[in-house]
Amino acid sequence: AQKITQTQPGMFVQEKEAVTLDCTYDTSDPSYGLFWYKQPSSGEMIFLIYQGSYDQQNATEGRYSLNFQKARKSANLVISASQLGDSAMYFCAMRGTLDTGRRALTFGSGTRLQVQP
Amino acid sequence: DVKVTQSSRYLVKRTGEKVFLECVQDMDHENMFWYRQDPGLGLRLIYFSYDVKMKEKGDIPEGYSVSREKKERFSLILESASTNQTSMYLCASIEGRHNTGELFFGEGSRLTVL
Repeated sequence: AQKITQTQPGMFVQEKEAVTLDCTYDTSDPSYGLFWYKQPSSGEMIFLIYQGSYDQQNATEGRYSLNFQKARKSANLVISASQLGDSAMYFCAMRGTLDTGRRALTFGSGTRLQVQP
Repeated sequence: DVKVTQSSRYLVKRTGEKVFLECVQDMDHENMFWYRQDPGLGLRLIYFSYDVKMKEKGDIPEGYSVSREKKERFSLILESASTNQTSMYLCASIEGRHNTGELFFGEGSRLTVL
């Protein structure tokens, strides 16, 4: 079974500062993908970034980067230069080889980020 | 852009009522999903479908059923709603070909069962 752990229920960050949201995972799959989603208070889930387990470089998308440490089974999301609009719930998720048929994602419990002016 | 539309943003139902949550996607995606989201638990998979009339149980299917009569539409059914089914329900879809693809989500349906 796969498991995603997000140990920070809530975090605060000052506007314009960087913040790291933690995510660790547990899987026996040889190949897997890691995802981060943002959920604003309006409720929609917004895809942010993807990292494949065999990707040589850490993924980046604008102000978002994924600090992938395979040996430690961690996939932390780094948001640079935080903005007020970054205040939201953030979910880490994964899809393993065994999920290929299902194509579903397994999600963590989420981290609520609040950006303060 | 992919659009996943859930028919109701907010519903209030009574215990024992039959509840239908509808989801429609406009990108001809093969796979569709229903998740429920609860504080501290994240999103948990209820059911998914990989083709018309095909469905499989997810991790928490008890108390739910689904229907997929057309490719674009995936319905979640609560045969007899109970208070422990008060939750946010999220529908998602994905095309079938690429394993790296992300799920596309609807805006969610917040159900309260009294």
